[in-house]
Amino acid sequence: GAGVSQTPSNKVTEKGKYVELRCDPISGHTALYWYRQSLGQGPEFLIYFQGTGAADDSGLPNDRFFAVRPEGSVSTLKIQRTERGDSAVYLCASSPTLKGEQYFGPGTRLTVT
Amino acid sequence: GENVEQHPSTLSVQEGDSAVIKCTYSDSASNYFPWYKQELGKRPQLIIDIRSNVGEKKDQRIAVTLNKTAKHFSLHITETQPEDSAVYFCAASNAGRRALTFGSGTRLQVQP
Repeated sequence: GAGVSQTPSNKVTEKGKYVELRCDPISGHTALYWYRQSLGQGPEFLIYFQGTGAADDSGLPNDRFFAVRPEGSVSTLKIQRTERGDSAVYLCASSPTLKGEQYFGPGTRLTVT
Repeated sequence: GENVEQHPSTLSVQEGDSAVIKCTYSDSASNYFPWYKQELGKRPQLIIDIRSNVGEKKDQRIAVTLNKTAKHFSLHITETQPEDSAVYFCAASNAGRRALTFGSGTRLQVQP
């Protein structure tokens, strides 16, 4: 079946602008995770949803970052007042159960100029 | 919180040789340890994982071992092939915190 998909694949924005990144998980997967990967580093956790609720948002760096999953499927990561330091690849992963393996999407490369 | 350290950062082997990548973790509550392969510009791909109730798991040319007492786990790739060249990441998580904590990655290069 179809894997995790993310749109857009690339996003270039100016400092101070607002961006939205979208994640479509594998159908039926209840858990959804957002990670951020900087060049040459491993992914870093941002937020995790179980169903519609954010079960753990301890990785969000500050209040400019917010994510939603209103119907328990698609999720949107929202970044306000973008800064150059937000530039990274934003990865989404989904998992079929609470203890399940996490399958990653291709990521959105965000560049803040 | 959990801290995962990974070594070496780069590894170059000849085709057909074995490669070993090692990781240590800090949180004794961690009970799930996946390994991901990431090719340049691609998504991380789950290649094998192990849970804390077993000490070793094998899938064809790849195997993972876990030493809970020492809090370390390793990835073993035998009969390496050029297509094994990629960055490999180890990770850890526990029942209380599902999020994965990743190591810093190992760039494996298999020379033909």
